[in-house]
Amino acid sequence: EIVMTQSPATLSVSPGERGTLSCRASQSVSSNLAWYQQKPGQAPRLLIYGASTRATGIPARFSGSGSGTEFTLTISSLKSEDFAVYYCQQYDNWWTFGQGTKVEIK
Amino acid sequence: EVQLVESGGVVVQPGGSLRLSCAASGFTFDDHAMYWVRQAPGKGLEWVSLISWDGGSTDYVDSVKGRFTISRDNSKNSLYLQMNSLRAEDTAFYYCAKAGSSGYYDYWGQGTLVTVSS
Repeated sequence: EIVMTQSPATLSVSPGERGTLSCRASQSVSSNLAWYQQKPGQAPRLLIYGASTRATGIPARFSGSGSGTEFTLTISSLKSEDFAVYYCQQYDNWWTFGQGTKVEIK
Repeated sequence: EVQLVESGGVVVQPGGSLRLSCAASGFTFDDHAMYWVRQAPGKGLEWVSLISWDGGSTDYVDSVKGRFTISRDNSKNSLYLQMNSLRAEDTAFYYCAKAGSSGYYDYWGQGTLVTVSS
């Protein structure tokens, strides 16, 4: 099983600042990496797939990068609606998720 | 607009059975594989099961193999998860999700809560 490890567990950021979230795979997943956002009481929402392609309707302030085993989700200027939990997921070999990064207001 | 609406979550005793349903609309259902994903309260996400567009191929996470069965009825735009021999560790929100073009999940339902408790 491919293990996905996200860091940090919690990211404290002020509105308007940049947020950088990391995801590491235990073995190469090529670019088969997605990012999801989940707000309390809601289902996850797809943000990024193919490591760097924004899903339909996702604002340009969200960007993804990386390949192989190291990936990054960047939120260029955090808005109030961006405070949530973010999960990475590999879909190269079955499907596994990271444990999540909570982005909270500083 | 793509919509996925799960139903069937209840409180059930250990060893009991339950069938979850997911009603799909807003897309051509039989063009897409579908998934079930679960999330224990306050915890992370776990893929549970996959079914191909025609139902001909299925797979499961090891912890539910032999106990859960995924199926679909393309004539009713519906996805199902039959859950038998339920255990306390199966307690979770269960989400159905639509397959994107290459293995990610592009749309999710709102989830239904299954609680296994005596």
